[in-house]
Amino acid sequence: AQSVAQPEDQVNVAEGNPLTVKCTYSVSGNPYLFWYVQYPNRGLQFLLKYITGDNLVKGSYGFEAEFNKSQTSFHLKKPSALVSDSALYFCAVRDIGAGNMLTFGGGTRLMVKP
Amino acid sequence: GAVVSQHPSWVICKSGTSVKIECRSLDFQATTMFWYRQFPKQSLMLMATSNEGSKATYEQGVEKDKFLINHASLTLSTLTVTSAHPEDSSFYICSARDLRQSSNQPQHFGDGTRLSIL
Repeated sequence: AQSVAQPEDQVNVAEGNPLTVKCTYSVSGNPYLFWYVQYPNRGLQFLLKYITGDNLVKGSYGFEAEFNKSQTSFHLKKPSALVSDSALYFCAVRDIGAGNMLTFGGGTRLMVKP
Repeated sequence: GAVVSQHPSWVICKSGTSVKIECRSLDFQATTMFWYRQFPKQSLMLMATSNEGSKATYEQGVEKDKFLINHASLTLSTLTVTSAHPEDSSFYICSARDLRQSSNQPQHFGDGTRLSIL
């Protein structure tokens, strides 16, 4: 079975400071990893994905994530946070050998204060 | 980019009413669409996988007679909450993946439907 853990319910950061939203995963095979962002009363917007290749993945809105196989982590990062980045962030994993099923973490609320 | 349209965005109705939610892929075709339910401040829970031209696959604990899914074309899946009760109130989100793309591509999500049962 595949699973995703986001250990922080909320992350607070000041505008202009770097941010990190943590994600760890568990799969039986090789993972496809995704980050999505959700604004209030909206669906999920895709930010970035890791499939294979470089461990550092760059995505939308200046976000990036680093795949670490030994630590089974895929933390989301941004060098300089904006107030408009405040939203709910979800990490998700799909086990390559497990078909279509996408498993989401519990979500982390990011609050960027001016 | 790929767009998934979900309608209605918000519905309020009386207990006992059946409510239909539509999920449309506007600029791509999808043999598979997914229906999720999200409670306040919680993650998405997969309810069912909708397959075009065949029966949906429901996750454990989801009542298929309660949540009817129809995927009649490559661009439309519908979720009908039958005889809705207050405990069915939730945020329902659909997603789809372009059938032309490989399985490592992200799903595209609708904006969700907030269902409130009085």
